Amino acid sequence: LAKTTQPISMDSYEGQEVNITCSHNNIATNDYITWYQQFPSQGPRFIIQGYKTKVTNEVASLFIPADRKSSTLSLPRVSLSDTAVYYCLVGDSSSNTGKLIFGQGTTLQVKP
Amino acid sequence: DAGVTQSPTHLIKTRGQQVTLRCSPKSGHDTVSWYQQALGQGPQFIFQYYEEEERQRGNFPDRFSGHQFPNYSSELNVNALLLGDSALYLCASSLVSSYNEQFFGPGTRLTVL
Repeated sequence: LAKTTQPISMDSYEGQEVNITCSHNNIATNDYITWYQQFPSQGPRFIIQGYKTKVTNEVASLFIPADRKSSTLSLPRVSLSDTAVYYCLVGDSSSNTGKLIFGQGTTLQVKP
Repeated sequence: DAGVTQSPTHLIKTRGQQVTLRCSPKSGHDTVSWYQQALGQGPQFIFQYYEEEERQRGNFPDRFSGHQFPNYSSELNVNALLLGDSALYLCASSLVSSYNEQFFGPGTRLTVL
């Protein structure tokens, strides 16, 4: 399983776009990139998953360059309620290994 | 459609005791995973159950054991509790074919005194 590196913390203001970058230099061919969000005293919540290029859903966008050694989670026009820890994970969804490997994540603080 | 539910919400035990935590998966899901999350850390994988068998296990001692029932619900048992077992215990369910998208419950906060 590829290791990921992401910033420990980030600050932003309401209404701004936030980009959180994750490095995964040893990503394997079959690996997907998945992001989870976790609020205090709650379980993580799946946000988005991608393999290459760009993926967008109602919550966020995920940008993945051609070499796939990094990825960027983009949160448009954040609000105070987006204050949370964001985890970047890399793994092979088809291998059925079953386990998600979480790092320390990025703590995003959105200020008014 | 109920999501993942866990019980109890909070639990206080003393060292050496045993504890059982329970989890009901999201409707339609056949796989249950358990995670331990210490304060300020990311969740750590304990083990996963599918078809009532343990499929995968993380780096946790044998004091941690589990079970999955025919209705896909699951239990996590921890024996001989240590102070270091104090944590948030999370249950997550998924389909065996897409484990990257796991649905987490709210967790059980275990405090060992």
